[in-house]
Amino acid sequence: EVQLVESGGGLVKPGGSLRLSCAASGFTFSRYSMSWVRQAPGKGLEWVSSISGSSSDIYYADSVKGRFTISRDNARNSLYLQMNSLRAEDTAVYYCARGRDCSGGSCYSRNDYWGQGTLVTVSS
Amino acid sequence: SYVLTQPPSVSVAPGQTARITCGGNNIGSKSVHWYQQKSGQAPVLVVYDDSDRPSGIPERFSGSNSGSTATLTISRVEAGDEADYYCQVWDSGSDHVVFGGGTKLTVL
Repeated sequence: EVQLVESGGGLVKPGGSLRLSCAASGFTFSRYSMSWVRQAPGKGLEWVSSISGSSSDIYYADSVKGRFTISRDNARNSLYLQMNSLRAEDTAVYYCARGRDCSGGSCYSRNDYWGQGTLVTVSS
Repeated sequence: SYVLTQPPSVSVAPGQTARITCGGNNIGSKSVHWYQQKSGQAPVLVVYDDSDRPSGIPERFSGSNSGSTATLTISRVEAGDEADYYCQVWDSGSDHVVFGGGTKLTVL
């Protein structure tokens, strides 16, 4: 059974940092692209970042580029999101989601499994 | 940047057919995916690559995509279909994943 479990959310002050983790199980993690998607309270889904299975391709939304860093450890079946210079508008539930078992643009959409999400609150 | 436009809300009576649209420039040339999100839950993929269904998704859910509009069609709507629905594409022009703003489906 495919499982994605996020952790690392919490309350952080503006300008602070936080590192999110996503533990994957039930599939060959290294073969799949992975993404982070967030949802601000009462708002829609917003794509944050994606990474290929080998980490050779990485993409960021304009709203987080230069502040967030996506990475993965295939030996540990884990996905990460390092978030720096956090702002109030980064407050959201952050989901990790599995893409396709391929590399290339369209492989980052079609997210067939999602974690339960972890809440990040940026407030003083 | 590429924009996907969805109606904020759609209402339908039980047993009827709901159609949720997703508009975008030449969206017919892209692969469109649809997600259902019930209150307090993570999104669930209900249609991918315009018209394919993941295993476990009822045949009542179908999709189409042509020109500037993609459509998610839910036949014989049930109370349990009440949720927010999002369309999604990969935009090769910006190398970004793009979501539509979401449509709240209300079952009357």
